[in-house]
Amino acid sequence: DTGVSQDPRHKITKRGQNVTFRCDPISEHNRLYWYRQTLGQGPEFLTYFQNEAQLEKSRLLSDRFSAERPKGSFSTLEIQRTEQGDSAMYLCASSPPRDKNTEAFFGQGTRLTVV
Amino acid sequence: GEDVEQSLFLSVREGDSSVINCTYTDSSSTYLYWYKQEPGAGLQLLTYIFSNMDMKQDQRLTVLLNKKDKHLSLRIADTQTGDSAIYFCAESIRTGGFKTIFGAGTRLFVKA
Repeated sequence: DTGVSQDPRHKITKRGQNVTFRCDPISEHNRLYWYRQTLGQGPEFLTYFQNEAQLEKSRLLSDRFSAERPKGSFSTLEIQRTEQGDSAMYLCASSPPRDKNTEAFFGQGTRLTVV
Repeated sequence: GEDVEQSLFLSVREGDSSVINCTYTDSSSTYLYWYKQEPGAGLQLLTYIFSNMDMKQDQRLTVLLNKKDKHLSLRIADTQTGDSAIYFCAESIRTGGFKTIFGAGTRLFVKA
């Protein structure tokens, strides 16, 4: 296990299509986060899972966005009816139980381009 | 509110010290972080400081935290061209869940 893995690395889609991204966290990391980063900005928090429970959702996560972590391991982020404004880098991060370490490890991200 | 602000650019000469500043607004921050992002690469955690500390040193990096003023700084001693990158200040806050708020990033240019 070499780190947080995200798939795909790049996705180009037509406006109105649905897309799904996958994140595989580091083994035994029970906390998983999704962020969105647009050009020239820092990452914006989208949502947070502890095991399979989604504990926090940003208001940025409109009803077109949904995230799941069904078995407390990998997570998926789906965007329905994509819009050009959804074009961004989608970052996933994971971290171990809080009593062990606070560091969140980031994946390389999925770059989404909506045309 | 939740907001992290930092200056957008910093240019230094190789060998000088770099100081990147950051202010945050949420007094419930537990940890404060500095991340580094190089072109085309992911985010790399450089260092972090717990909110009840005021200073942390790690080799060439020194983090200073003024909790009263909600001000965080990162000093890089003997800055090298390889330090050229975007540096993000971030705070973690507990609001039922656990999330990290990032600043927009400071672009550090190191001139040889």
